[in-house]
Amino acid sequence: NAGVIQTPRHKVTGKGQEATLWCEPISGHSAVFWYRQTIVQGLEFLTYFRNQAPIDDSGMPKERFSAQMPNQSHSTLKIQSTQPQDSAVYLCASSPPSQNTLYFGAGTRLSVL
Amino acid sequence: EQQVQQSPASLVLQEAENAELQCSFSIFTNQVQWFYQRPGGRLVSLLYNPSGTKQSGRLTSTTVIKERRSSLHISSSQITDSGTYLCAMEPNTNKVVFGTGTRLQVLP
Repeated sequence: NAGVIQTPRHKVTGKGQEATLWCEPISGHSAVFWYRQTIVQGLEFLTYFRNQAPIDDSGMPKERFSAQMPNQSHSTLKIQSTQPQDSAVYLCASSPPSQNTLYFGAGTRLSVL
Repeated sequence: EQQVQQSPASLVLQEAENAELQCSFSIFTNQVQWFYQRPGGRLVSLLYNPSGTKQSGRLTSTTVIKERRSSLHISSSQITDSGTYLCAMEPNTNKVVFGTGTRLQVLP
């Protein structure tokens, strides 16, 4: 069991470019969560899916952020027109059915220059 | 806004001392978890403790729902315990909300 896999580990983009982050949840887990972590704000909830359906995206900046889960084996977080303030570590977590424990990936560190 | 407050923000101990970390919630919740993160490392779940007292090795968590708080006791601290400890709650929305963490440094 490799755990939650996130790719890439590091991504550098120029201001205004697009960034796509990938997450592969643990096989058999039914929920996938996306968080953003910065030193100033800590861990901020972005969005989550259960059984591939979007449940809550209340933390997503609506204009430029979007998330999808096209199948049970991966989810993507896309940021359009990246801005320096988007620089952060983006964390994906999954959780098994009927359990509340979150299993986190190692994160993708996004740097917007 | 649903919030999680943690104290202290940072803590320095000598090896073998005990640590007491506190967490308080803005709402009533019976879904409380404690996580650990080494600098630059992955967030790892330590304990899921909806209520009462739970122990895992040198870690003991006590959650008092009616007082909207939880604590994490680390006994006989070790240098390798250094890192950030985060408390999280899960309101009815199933959206897990995290505190800002307690940064623990254990010195030899």
